[in-house]
Amino acid sequence: GQQLNQSPQSMFIQEGEDVSMNCTSSSIFNTWLWYKQDPGEGPVLLIALYKAGELTSNGRLTAQFGITRKDSFLNISASIPSDVGIYFCAGQVTGNQFYFGTGTSLTVIP
Amino acid sequence: GAVVSQHPSWVICKSGTSVKIECRSLDFQATTMFWYRQFPKQSLMLMATSNEGSKATYEQGVEKDKFLINHASLTLSTLTVTSAHPEDSSFYICSASSAIRLMNTEAFFGQGTRLTVV
Repeated sequence: GQQLNQSPQSMFIQEGEDVSMNCTSSSIFNTWLWYKQDPGEGPVLLIALYKAGELTSNGRLTAQFGITRKDSFLNISASIPSDVGIYFCAGQVTGNQFYFGTGTSLTVIP
Repeated sequence: GAVVSQHPSWVICKSGTSVKIECRSLDFQATTMFWYRQFPKQSLMLMATSNEGSKATYEQGVEKDKFLINHASLTLSTLTVTSAHPEDSSFYICSASSAIRLMNTEAFFGQGTRLTVV
């Protein structure tokens, strides 16, 4: 299946710093989703984006649906230790199929 | 958000045996369920998509006779790993979405099943 390119692959940051990660695809998507996964758990939905150019916030998280519909960005402001985990983007074309990015592993140093 | 429950959370089985994993949507009717496989420190790889009452659609490279998927009701899908071998050891995750609740543009995940074949 398709896989989306996500960068960076991993990040090590100090508590309080802002974080940015992005996801790109060679295909156009109609929906972009961002998930967080803790070890041994299933992914948890953070933000869903439905329109090109859309900017949506969820607390300290902000995500954008790229104008080209081939990319999306996730920002986390003022990171805290519990932000640690792996963040995945996911894109949906049609027919309810979702394809996932390669993941960004985030480590927050207190 | 909607709740998806996966069972068991972990299972150890002997090589050559079959293992069934259940995925249930607890508070909504899941018209579509997805099964993913995840290796350590890697992303989720879609294995198959199943719509209630229909045969599952498998991704390229996924053996449908090896990974049997049944989606007999709007709240339950099962994945059976047949004649399991050590290379089948992995983290299997299901997700569900619902066209009925106009949730077909979001997917909610189970907590995953860690399968170890010895």
